[in-house]
Amino acid sequence: DVKVTQSSRYLVKRTGEKVFLECVQDMDHENMFWYRQDPGLGLRLIYFSYDVKMKEKGDIPEGYSVSREKKERFSLILESASTNQTSMYLCASSWRGGRRGTEAFFGQGTRLTVV
Amino acid sequence: GNSVTQMEGPVTLSEEAFLTINCTYTATGYPSLFWYVQYPGEGLQLLLKATKADDKGSNKGFEATYRKETTSFHLEKGSVQVSDSAVYFCALTPIGGTYKYIFGTGTRLKVLA
Repeated sequence: DVKVTQSSRYLVKRTGEKVFLECVQDMDHENMFWYRQDPGLGLRLIYFSYDVKMKEKGDIPEGYSVSREKKERFSLILESASTNQTSMYLCASSWRGGRRGTEAFFGQGTRLTVV
Repeated sequence: GNSVTQMEGPVTLSEEAFLTINCTYTATGYPSLFWYVQYPGEGLQLLLKATKADDKGSNKGFEATYRKETTSFHLEKGSVQVSDSAVYFCALTPIGGTYKYIFGTGTRLKVLA
């Protein structure tokens, strides 16, 4: 089975802290994604990576950065956490486009609270 | 641009009732379409998918048919169970480009015993 693992289920951080969310996948997927999920807003794409060291901004990249040094690992970084970044964060991975109908596989989510 | 619109929730049904959750999309060409399910406190799991017009995806009693003419992918189940209570997301990935996934806002389903 495909496994996408996020390093923490729950995280509480203080305003201004630098926060790292880690995600690892075991299916040799080229694509990896970070989404943020908020009630009534659905899933919004923060960043997308299609290869090692490659990244693209999603719809809401402000206040976030990412790192992909190895194919299986994709990290989301909150440079200076703020209370409006309190949310559920979901990591996902998929094979590179060209395979019609390939789906994204999701991790279990990290619920981050910034106080 | 590409977008997905799904019906507002919550949807509350009695056990064994018929379920329909509407989903319509906007996209160029023939996107692939998906339904995902999210149980409380969990990530999203793929429920079913369809990759071309008139395809029917099915899984665990759920079905959805890719309707190009109405740009729709409505989710249906003939008889819901309490264990189906969850949030359901419709999604698409467009053909070409960077193969990002675009999600609807989700529909919460609550099934009462």
